[in-house]
Amino acid sequence: EPEVTQTPSHQVTQMGQEVILRCVPISNHLYFYWYRQILGQKVEFLVSFYNNEISEKSEIFDDQFSVERPDGSNFTLKIRSTKLEDSAMYFCASSVYRGGYEQYFGPGTRLTVT
Amino acid sequence: EDKVVQSPLSLVVHEGDTVTLNCSYEVTNFRSLLWYKQEKKAPTFLFMLTSSGIEKKSGRLSSILDKKELSSILNITATQTGDSAIYLCAGGGSGGGADGLTFGKGTHLIIQP
Repeated sequence: EPEVTQTPSHQVTQMGQEVILRCVPISNHLYFYWYRQILGQKVEFLVSFYNNEISEKSEIFDDQFSVERPDGSNFTLKIRSTKLEDSAMYFCASSVYRGGYEQYFGPGTRLTVT
Repeated sequence: EDKVVQSPLSLVVHEGDTVTLNCSYEVTNFRSLLWYKQEKKAPTFLFMLTSSGIEKKSGRLSSILDKKELSSILNITATQTGDSAIYLCAGGGSGGGADGLTFGKGTHLIIQP
């Protein structure tokens, strides 16, 4: 069964460093998303991406974040200058249709900023 | 602001019991209510509900949506220890501003042998 994959599973970085989180969405899906989950808190929407551009973004997705689809399979989230409060689990998701349809999640990348 | 509230936040039952998890929602341009199971990491899709009163069923799990009450329930019958997980409810909208799902805090379900 096709699934969303993410790498790395765990990333430790120092405050101020740049990190890139990688995702490979399900191959026939057209819409891609990033969510984050701070430990003990809700899963929160960051950004959606369609047709090589950002479709929507939440208030959390400020100028330090960017997304890219560098090739036909990968979808990346870059955090330019990490802060302690960026420590969270970051989930990539994909769907065939936009928004309120089944979104399938990857296993997540645990980002720890020290 | 969209909101999804789940109850209870945690629940401990014995194997074989039946449980009912609750979810209420306020979602702009509501389209769907989704249930996910989160074990160690990724939320795993369970159900998507769009129509009121139509039960969706998968094995021992079932779910129903009540659009009038803006709520949904997830039932698990004959629980097993493998059902132990956090169950997440999420609301999905349609149209502009509705790409992201709005999640509740989840119900942490523990099944004791």
